[in-house]
Amino acid sequence: DAGITQSPRHKVTETGTPVTLRCHQTENHRYMYWYRQDPGHGLRLIHYSYGVKDTDKGEVSDGYSVSRSKTEDFLLTLESATSSQTSVYFCAISERAGSLSDEQFFGPGTRLTVL
Amino acid sequence: AQSVTQLDSHVSVSEGTPVLLRCNYSSSYSPSLFWYVQHPNKGLQLLLKYTSAATLVKGINGFEAEFKKSETSFHLTKPSAHMSDAAEYFCVVRGGYGNKLVFGAGTILRVKS
Repeated sequence: DAGITQSPRHKVTETGTPVTLRCHQTENHRYMYWYRQDPGHGLRLIHYSYGVKDTDKGEVSDGYSVSRSKTEDFLLTLESATSSQTSVYFCAISERAGSLSDEQFFGPGTRLTVL
Repeated sequence: AQSVTQLDSHVSVSEGTPVLLRCNYSSSYSPSLFWYVQHPNKGLQLLLKYTSAATLVKGINGFEAEFKKSETSFHLTKPSAHMSDAAEYFCVVRGGYGNKLVFGAGTILRVKS
């Protein structure tokens, strides 16, 4: 299995509080991604990173920010959590983006509940 | 823009019978397509991928998928279902720069004994 860990694995928080999720990889892959998974929607991309300090928005980026100060860590922050952000969050990594045959490897997920 | 549609939200089969999970895609250029599987309370695992080589792609655990450009389809099949195949399956298309992936809504496969 690819060396990807997510922390915390479960979190319950209240509306309006800030929340930070961490993704840590030991594969030295360049690309990292944050997705959220909701029933009936599959996984949707929130933000991604193509290198240290290089990030870009995905399709559902509103209310989220990210940071990547080191190759191995990609942080997802909810500045002021809302109930609509209750979801399961997955981190993924890939070594390349230009290759047509590249694979994304997924972490175990973080279940976030906003009350 | 790239998109995928999984035609069935739930599929139920008996153990030992064939599995067919249907996926149609939309892409403005030659697509890269994937099937991922997610077992309950687990992360996602790549089953197989199509990247413009052979149109019939073989994956892990006896699964395969056929790319049909004329039908814009990439259906997943397995000749004989096993109880351990019960999971949620996602059809995925690569969505442009940065290796971004666009997921279908998922198909939950139930295998009856």
